[in-house]
Amino acid sequence: EAQVTQNPRYLITVTGKKLTVTCSQNMNHEYMSWYRQDPGLGLRQIYYSMNVEVTDKGDVPEGYKVSRKEKRNFPLILESPSPNQTSLYFCASSPAQRGTEAFFGQGTRLTVV
Amino acid sequence: GQQLNQSPQSMFIQEGEDVSMNCTSSSIFNTWLWYKQDPGEGPVLLIALYKAGELTSNGRLTAQFGITRKDSFLNISASIPSDVGIYFCAGSIKAAGNKLTFGGGTRVLVKP
Repeated sequence: EAQVTQNPRYLITVTGKKLTVTCSQNMNHEYMSWYRQDPGLGLRQIYYSMNVEVTDKGDVPEGYKVSRKEKRNFPLILESPSPNQTSLYFCASSPAQRGTEAFFGQGTRLTVV
Repeated sequence: GQQLNQSPQSMFIQEGEDVSMNCTSSSIFNTWLWYKQDPGEGPVLLIALYKAGELTSNGRLTAQFGITRKDSFLNISASIPSDVGIYFCAGSIKAAGNKLTFGGGTRVLVKP
């Protein structure tokens, strides 16, 4: 089954404790991205990757890092989480160019206290 | 940056009725997409529109890419309870590297 898998689904952490949210897709897609969803704001792109070893900032990249060492994986790293990073995070992938995100993961709800 | 205004923010549906929602922007978009998000899930792509004036259907859903390229609407015909959820519009512009901009969402609820 074609899917984008995120882990964990839920995470509560403390300010400053580094964390990684993993994302994996099994569709051999070149394009992957990370979004955060906040009430009334829709989804805002954090980072994206056009292919292996190619990443770039989205609209709200501050406080986040990503890496794309393999085509299937695109982890999101929060080196020093802060409460304003409490949000619902989604990973997405697409076989096509940027701007046609076809598949989203199920989401990771992160709470930073 | 570009902003998408999606309306209404929320709506109640009664089974069997047709409903409509729309997205407007002050900027021109090259692509319009419509997604649905069920509770606890990620957004699912419903319809993609690539050409001004394009009218596309997916089952009971119909979406149109506005002629001015600054708006799009989504219609749901003969609504059923499983239509509840949040519907998002999204647009992209080639000049901005095809980055997707999302609307704030329309929450569809069932009339009590």
